[in-house]
Amino acid sequence: DTGVSQNPRHKITKRGQNVTFRCDPISEHNRLYWYRQTLGQGPEFLTYFQNEAQLEKSRLLSDRFSAERPKGSFSTLEIQRTEQGDSAMYLCASRAGTGIVVKEKLFFGSGTQLSVL
Amino acid sequence: AQRVTQPEKLLSVFKGAPVELKCNYSYSGSPELFWYVQYSRQRLQLLLRHISRESIKGFTADLNKGETSFHLKKPFAQEEDSAMYYCALSGGAGGTSYGKLTFGQGTILTVHP
Repeated sequence: DTGVSQNPRHKITKRGQNVTFRCDPISEHNRLYWYRQTLGQGPEFLTYFQNEAQLEKSRLLSDRFSAERPKGSFSTLEIQRTEQGDSAMYLCASRAGTGIVVKEKLFFGSGTQLSVL
Repeated sequence: AQRVTQPEKLLSVFKGAPVELKCNYSYSGSPELFWYVQYSRQRLQLLLRHISRESIKGFTADLNKGETSFHLKKPFAQEEDSAMYYCALSGGAGGTSYGKLTFGQGTILTVHP
């Protein structure tokens, strides 16, 4: 599968623990996005990287959340001191950023389902 | 602030019937509108976008700026169209905003045989 890959697929943790998720975008894509989706809602934008630079963060991303993309390839999303309200599907997406807008397409991964007990 | 509203959480039709999934948006500038689809046990994928003026799998959507709507239509629904459909908005073409989408809550479409 050459699409966007996310690991793990599922994560169960206890409140207060730290968790880290990984996203491997499509190899030639320099733009990477994280979204969060709670039950019954559409995905909500969290943060955006262009290469290794984190260019935008949503207000949803509290100081317990941190995202990195150290070499402009894979990205990690860490949640510290997890709370029950963090339970959600965390989606990663990537796109090429060719500048040819009509040809650009956002590709999503399968997501990491986080359950905080 | 930008907002996308999909008023129907569930929509059921019979095979061969026309289907329309409603989407209304709120945005002060010139938005880019998209429809994304998620079939059972598959990842979220782009169905169509208004800038391309394309028809995918028989679906079309017209951007109506006067009514701030981007309804998705198909004249004859098929069972394989059963899925979750999300309308999404991006604040303008190109640049950093293009992948930063505001999604609606989604509509589950069920097409009965």
